[in-house]
Amino acid sequence: KQEVTQIPAALSVPEGENLVLNCSFTDSAIYNLQWFRQDPGKGLTSLLLIQSSQREQTSGRLNASLDKSSGRSTLYIAASQPGDSATYLCAVLTDKLIFGTGTRLQVFP
Amino acid sequence: GAVVSQHPSRVICKSGTSVKIECRSLDFQATTMFWYRQFPKQSLMLMATSNEGSKATYEQGVEKDKFLINHASLTLSTLTVTSAHPEDSSFYICSARANRGGTGELFFGEGSRLTVL
Repeated sequence: KQEVTQIPAALSVPEGENLVLNCSFTDSAIYNLQWFRQDPGKGLTSLLLIQSSQREQTSGRLNASLDKSSGRSTLYIAASQPGDSATYLCAVLTDKLIFGTGTRLQVFP
Repeated sequence: GAVVSQHPSRVICKSGTSVKIECRSLDFQATTMFWYRQFPKQSLMLMATSNEGSKATYEQGVEKDKFLINHASLTLSTLTVTSAHPEDSSFYICSARANRGGTGELFFGEGSRLTVL
């Protein structure tokens, strides 16, 4: 059974810091991995999608890497801003999409 | 990008009533849709997978007679919470994928917050 874990569970940092969020999964036979953000009480916003054959994807200040063999992905956020405050979820796709436990990020001015 | 519409966004009902939540893919045909629920400060838990024209596959621990899923067309899936009780209060989110068994990106609805009094 696929299990997806995210570390840390919560993170509070001052504005401007570079951040690394971690995601690990137990079954490496995945099709792809996706990172999402979720604002309180809201739906999901897709940030980055990494196919199993890819090593990383970048979008603006976000960079996500994937090491399928070790079952790990990291989301790197450069120069964090208060607007980045949200819950970040990773999810892996096999025959279904399984979500990680989430990291609640707070960036204060 | 592809758009998935979920309705209603919020619903409050009395205990014992049934509530239907709709999930529509607006600009693509969704052969597969997933339903998730999310309790406060927790991650999304997969409830069931539905493929158009066939019965939904429910995850372990999810009562299929309580959470009825219908995926009758390529653009619409519905989740009906039957005889809702306060413990069913949760945030329900659907997602849709264009190709059956494919590896492409999934698109999500905005979610529906159900409060059962």
